[in-house]
Amino acid sequence: NAGVTQTPKFQVLKTGQSMTLQCAQDMNHNSMYWYRQDPGMGLRLIYYSASEGTTDKGEVPNGYNVSRLNKREFSLRLESAAPSQTSVYFCASIGQSPKTQYFGPGTRLLVL
Amino acid sequence: GEDVEQSLFLSVREGDSSVINCTYTDSSSTYLYWYKQEPGAGLQLLTYIFSNMDMKQDQRLTVLLNKKDKHLSLRIADTQTGDSAIYFCAESIDQAGTALIFGKGTTLSVSS
Repeated sequence: NAGVTQTPKFQVLKTGQSMTLQCAQDMNHNSMYWYRQDPGMGLRLIYYSASEGTTDKGEVPNGYNVSRLNKREFSLRLESAAPSQTSVYFCASIGQSPKTQYFGPGTRLLVL
Repeated sequence: GEDVEQSLFLSVREGDSSVINCTYTDSSSTYLYWYKQEPGAGLQLLTYIFSNMDMKQDQRLTVLLNKKDKHLSLRIADTQTGDSAIYFCAESIDQAGTALIFGKGTTLSVSS
C-alpha cells in the first residue's frame, strides 16, 4: 500500500494562476480531507468528502474548490491563486475506525 | 465556533516525563486525538480517546480526558530525543469522528 499520495510536492505560482493539487489513497477509505498548515496556525480544514459523490466545506473554504473524482481521488483546485494561499497543503483519508487515519506528505505551495 | 487551544512550547530533559495540555470547546466531540509531526513530514496519528473515556494508556503514552472542563492531556513517559516534534491536539466535529479541528500545536524540545 502506498497510503496517501499527493502531487506535486512543491509548486510556485504567480498571483492569478490556477492549479489543481492531486490526492489519492489506496486504502479503500470513504472519507477524504484537505487541510492547510500555516506557521503558528496549526491545521485548518478546507473541504472534506465523507463519501464518493459528496463534498462539504470546512473552516476555510473560500478560494478553493474540490472534486471527489472517485473513491480513490480527491483534488483541490485554486482557480485564481493569491499570496494568502501560500501554505503547506495536506490531504488525509480516514477509514471506518478512528485508528485508520493517514496523512499525505504535503504539498508546499508558494504564491508570488 | 469550535476552537482547540494548546500551549506553544514545552522543553524537557531526556528521561523526564512530558505533559502536553489542550482545551477544546465542542462538548459533542466524539473523539479527541493526538498527532505528532516531525520536521518536513506529514502528521502521524499517535493516539485517540473516545469521549466517554477518562484515560487511555498506550505504552509510553497516557491520555487523560476531563470532559467537564473540556481538558485533554498527553503524557509521554521517559521522554527521548526522538520525541522532539510538534504535537497537535484535535477534536472531531462530526458524529463519525472524522472531520477534525486542530490546535496550533505544541513544540516539544527534548535535551540530553
